[in-house]
Amino acid sequence: RKEVEQDPGPFNVPEGATVAFNCTYSNSASQSFFWYRQDCRKEPKLLMSVYSSGNEDGRFTAQLNRASQYISLLIRDSKLSDSATYLCVVNRGSNNDMRFGAGTRLTVKP
Amino acid sequence: SQTIHQWPATLVQPVGSPLSLECTVEGTSNPNLYWYRQAAGRGLQLLFYSVGIGQISSEVPQNLSASRPQDRQFILSSKKLLLSDSGFYLCAWSSLPGRAQHFGDGTRLSIL
Repeated sequence: RKEVEQDPGPFNVPEGATVAFNCTYSNSASQSFFWYRQDCRKEPKLLMSVYSSGNEDGRFTAQLNRASQYISLLIRDSKLSDSATYLCVVNRGSNNDMRFGAGTRLTVKP
Repeated sequence: SQTIHQWPATLVQPVGSPLSLECTVEGTSNPNLYWYRQAAGRGLQLLFYSVGIGQISSEVPQNLSASRPQDRQFILSSKKLLLSDSGFYLCAWSSLPGRAQHFGDGTRLSIL
């Protein structure tokens, strides 16, 4: 089993749709959680950190469920520019060990 | 503000040739530095990380090595490249362990 698992997609949604991604992690000692986006042939860019109480940044909402060991990302009112691969990132518990999911690909269509 | 520079952007090398990729960070002191590789259609694999000058930790056995000669400089090297070394190499930094990492533009390496 991979340490961080994501549905690879692709998710194809129309503009304005709401889309949700889930990510599960296996290490119960994990303390830090993030969502990154990666455009084709580009570097990953931090989208948002995920806090225990859940957090929102504009159209994006992230939630953490420690008991079930998963995090989620909700995108409301999808834009064409949201098309990208979304990476779930989990700290393994030791200081410098971040584990990246393989990513979920999203395509938003007109 | 902090910036991270990585070069070259693309590189085509023959099998058996040496490699040197450089990464520098500006606007911060004593960053944690990382080298990742991303194979086509795959997730990021951590290769090396460094918490300070001369301190390198390796995550996977391979024919690559890393060095940190200065506080904000991180170098990825190989004496002899293999076909399997092809990929997208990314340097990243973070202010503290466990904090969000910020990536350079990456180097796309093709081995012929």
